Amino acid sequence: DAKTTQPPSMDCAEGRAANLPCNHSTISGNEYVYWYRQIHSQGPQYIIHGLKNNETNEMASLIITEDRKSSTLILPHATLRDTAVYYCIVRGLPNSGYALNFGKGTSLLVTP
Amino acid sequence: DAGVIQSPRHEVTEMGQEVTLRCKPISGHDYLFWYRQTMMRGLELLIYFNNNVPIDDSGMPEDRFSAKMPNASFSTLKIQPSEPRDSAVYFCASSLSGGFYGYTFGSGTRLTVV
Repeated sequence: DAKTTQPPSMDCAEGRAANLPCNHSTISGNEYVYWYRQIHSQGPQYIIHGLKNNETNEMASLIITEDRKSSTLILPHATLRDTAVYYCIVRGLPNSGYALNFGKGTSLLVTP
Repeated sequence: DAGVIQSPRHEVTEMGQEVTLRCKPISGHDYLFWYRQTMMRGLELLIYFNNNVPIDDSGMPEDRFSAKMPNASFSTLKIQPSEPRDSAVYFCASSLSGGFYGYTFGSGTRLTVV
């Protein structure tokens, strides 16, 4: 699976949009971009995934650049409960294994 | 559904003792995963099952670790004998068809070996 690069930490004011970037310049054609988050003392939580089109669900939006070398997770109206570590994971399906390489992620702090 | 259920939430044991961690996956999920999280190494996959059969245990650190899944609704991770370096948070996760739509993780078991 392609390697990902994320900033170690970010801040966001409550109510504002949180835009979390991820670089995956070596991504290949059959690899998906997944986002998970881990709130303190909890298990990781699946947020969203995409291949090349932008995706949106009740939690977030995922914007993938046309060349697929980077993506941005958008939390449109961040709340204090969105404070967590966010992991961007590239995963090739179905031929890659099932180990999710979580890396170090981005620690997002939402402030009042 | 109550989600993935792990027990106990916290376990403190003495070095050399046997420890058993338990997991109940989401009903209908056909994949079950055991992960370990430490500050130094982050989240690591230990083993996973498909339809109750162990598929890949290459992440199990050594023979002191063993995992079973006797049926679709129950799995255990056993450490015997336990050592202080086994102290970590152990997560169980389950998914449908390999996790294309994501894995669901339990709340974890925090293990402390003294």
